[in-house]
Amino acid sequence: AQSVTQLDSHVSVSEGTPVLLRCNYSSSYSPSLFWYVQHPNKGLQLLLKYTSAATLVKGINGFEAEFKKSETSFHLTKPSAHMSDAAEYFCVLTGGSYIPTFGRGTSLIVHP
Amino acid sequence: EAGVTQSPTHLIKTRGQQATLRCSPISGHTSVYWYQQALGLGLQFLLWYDEGEERNRGNFPPRFSGRQFPNYSSELNVNALELEDSALYLCASSLRFQRSASTDTQYFGPGTRLTVL
Repeated sequence: AQSVTQLDSHVSVSEGTPVLLRCNYSSSYSPSLFWYVQHPNKGLQLLLKYTSAATLVKGINGFEAEFKKSETSFHLTKPSAHMSDAAEYFCVLTGGSYIPTFGRGTSLIVHP
Repeated sequence: EAGVTQSPTHLIKTRGQQATLRCSPISGHTSVYWYQQALGLGLQFLLWYDEGEERNRGNFPPRFSGRQFPNYSSELNVNALELEDSALYLCASSLRFQRSASTDTQYFGPGTRLTVL
């Protein structure tokens, strides 16, 4: 069985400060990992993905994530938060199954 | 390139009625996935279609069903609607599952907001 744990249900930052959204995974297979963002009442937009190539993955809008096998983590970071980054973020795992496993989501709040 | 489209955007039904939701995948994608996103419950996997066949279904009752057409578009049908079926229903598409499916990226549509009164 595989699982994804997003360690924070809410993260609050000030505009211009760094963002860290944490994701741990568990899988018996080589994982593929994704981060998606969802703005209110919208679908999910792919931010970035890891598929066993480079462990540091760069995505859209200045986001990046680092795959750490020893820590079974895939944390999402951004050096400087923007008001438009306020949204729900989902960490997603595939590997060994055609059905993705979604984390419960982290709500990012950005204060002016 | 057009993305995944879903219709209608909003749907209001009453208990006991049937709802039909539609999804058109990205051109060239043969797999379609359906998810339910109810308040407080996260994304729950509903159904997966590929090449016209149902490949897998999540832990939902049989009144949730669907199909995939020869052009790879898909319908989700929900019969005997209940209040707790109120949710955002998301459709996603990806490439053919035979191609290293575990790495294939899913691309999501904007969703259909179903409200059951």
